[in-house]
Amino acid sequence: ILNVEQSPQSLHVQEGDSTNFTCSFPSSNFYALHWYRWETAKSPEALFVMTLNGDEKKKGRISATLNTKEGYSYLYIKGSQPEDSATYLCAFKNQAGTALIFGKGTTLSVSS
Amino acid sequence: DAGITQSPRYKITETGRQVTLMCHQTWSHSYMFWYRQDLGHGLRLIYYSAAADITDKGEVPDGYVVSRSKTENFPLTLESATRSQTSVYFCASSSGQGGEAFFGQGTRLTVV
Repeated sequence: ILNVEQSPQSLHVQEGDSTNFTCSFPSSNFYALHWYRWETAKSPEALFVMTLNGDEKKKGRISATLNTKEGYSYLYIKGSQPEDSATYLCAFKNQAGTALIFGKGTTLSVSS
Repeated sequence: DAGITQSPRYKITETGRQVTLMCHQTWSHSYMFWYRQDLGHGLRLIYYSAAADITDKGEVPDGYVVSRSKTENFPLTLESATRSQTSVYFCASSSGQGGEAFFGQGTRLTVV
């Protein structure tokens, strides 16, 4: 069973703070790494899909980087807002598997 | 409506009963997945399907059965429900291997 680790498990920041989370995954046979945002009472929605070592993706104040050789990805949120409060999931797929394997997520709480 | 829909949204059933959770997508995505969400475990893969008539086990398949006779439908059946199967179940689909996953709204199942 593939192991996808996310840290920290939860995080509380003040409005305006910048923050980042980590996703660790097996570095061999890499295929894709996804980040999802999951708001309470909703379904997970994709933020980024990354496939190449060194990939950097950005959507507004949120960005992500990927290092497939060492098996980690960072998600950054610049100037956190209360509406950024959610659980952020990373998901990994290797070349042998068909399905995404999810980490347990990092729950972010942003207070105003 | 276009998208991926799950039914029912909520279900209470008794131990030992058979229950089927439905999942329907309108995109003709090849890949479909069933995950369960439990506190402390995040999203765990139950079963997935790469195409009609092709299914495979995920991380936690015991006690579940799936079928995929049509591309658009991927029902999940609990043959004899147990209390440990109380969970929130999410169906997802994607157009290709490693592609963005689109999630249904989830089904909250309680086994009493």
